[in-house]
Amino acid sequence: AQTVTQSQPEMSVQEAETVTLSCTYDTSESDYYLFWYKQPPSRQMILVIRQEAYKQQNATENRFSVNFQKAAKSFSLKISDSQLGDAAMYFCAYRRTQGGSEKLVFGKGTKLTVNP
Amino acid sequence: DTGVSQNPRHKITKRGQNVTFRCDPISEHNRLYWYRQTLGQGPEFLTYFQNEAQLEKSRLLSDRFSAERPKGSFSTLEIQRTEQGDSAMYLCASQDNNQPQHFGDGTRLSIL
Repeated sequence: AQTVTQSQPEMSVQEAETVTLSCTYDTSESDYYLFWYKQPPSRQMILVIRQEAYKQQNATENRFSVNFQKAAKSFSLKISDSQLGDAAMYFCAYRRTQGGSEKLVFGKGTKLTVNP
Repeated sequence: DTGVSQNPRHKITKRGQNVTFRCDPISEHNRLYWYRQTLGQGPEFLTYFQNEAQLEKSRLLSDRFSAERPKGSFSTLEIQRTEQGDSAMYLCASQDNNQPQHFGDGTRLSIL
């Protein structure tokens, strides 16, 4: 079974600075998707960024980028120029690409605080 | 695209009562998922529908839980004889083929 581990329960960053959230995963499959989702307090979970395992190029979405290391099974999220609105729980998630449902397997999350 | 809608947002009930939640997915999304999220944890998969067919159920889904998706549109999740351990946020997500899942706001269940 696939597992996702987020080793940082909490992180904090100063506004305008850069922060990196860690995620490792375990799978025996060669093709899959990885995601970072953001869940603000009492609000909807929204997709931040996704990475397809067969693509070597790291995904980027504006201030958000990932460092995908397939051999190490590592998938970290870098947030540049942090803003107050980035404060939230961040979840790393894995999804298989073939066979059965494409359910998401989530880590336990990292609570990000942005200090003004 | 009006997003995934879940009702009610909050449900408080006494232990032993039955509760039902509803999820309206993004229109024409053929896949629908239910997840459960307890405090301090990431969401855990409960069950999955492709159109009206329930194709996968987690071990977490005990006999007291049942889900339906008649006509492949909205879905309901029913919990019978609720227990304290059922207190959680119940999240619904819908997906169009190979695209990312879109989540609703969730239904927070509190068991007294």
